[in-house]
Amino acid sequence: AAGVIQSPRHLIKEKRETATLKCYPIPRHDTVYWYQQGPGQDPQFLISFYEKMQSDKGSIPDRFSAQQFSDYHSELNMSSLELGDSALYFCASSLEGLAVYNEQFFGPGTRLTVL
Amino acid sequence: GENVEQHPSTLSVQEGDSAVIKCTYSDSASNYFPWYKQELGKRPQLIIDIRSNVGEKKDQRIAVTLNKTAKHFSLHITETQPEDSAVYFCAARRYTGNQFYFGTGTSLTVIP
Repeated sequence: AAGVIQSPRHLIKEKRETATLKCYPIPRHDTVYWYQQGPGQDPQFLISFYEKMQSDKGSIPDRFSAQQFSDYHSELNMSSLELGDSALYFCASSLEGLAVYNEQFFGPGTRLTVL
Repeated sequence: GENVEQHPSTLSVQEGDSAVIKCTYSDSASNYFPWYKQELGKRPQLIIDIRSNVGEKKDQRIAVTLNKTAKHFSLHITETQPEDSAVYFCAARRYTGNQFYFGTGTSLTVIP
């Protein structure tokens, strides 16, 4: 079965640079979530999109922005990178529609290292 | 917002013994409670979930119980095996909004 695809899997950037992470949800899934997970930490919810509209917002810094496109893939744009942005970034997708109990499936993650 | 607390942070058990991880939540509007298993450097994977209209759910060696009145839910793993060693996260979600609130994780080690 198709899974959530994230690219790139690894990314190394310098401080103050910009990074773009991409997420391709499971086909027919309409909701995408972004999480940031630091070493030894729990996943921190950043933002989510339902049917291409922002549906919920968590602890996403103002330096970050995200969007979901017409084909349902999503991109997380990160500017003015800081050392503390080094983390695993997970994307997850689910099929929401009118239901409220749907499982979210996680992608393999993008490991971002800021030097 | 929701606050999910998880205990213990680390847990070591002998192979074959049972393991119990407990979580509490603060928002009575939360109604979906998944549990994830995460191996080092890998993605979280759903192992079991429970809805607020159910008190207990079991899937082979794994079970979850939910006490809505006390706002706590627990993961029970019986007959533990070394491959159960991982970090386990509980989470809670409100019936409105998409945000999942995660607990701080429990590092489970099953000693052969």
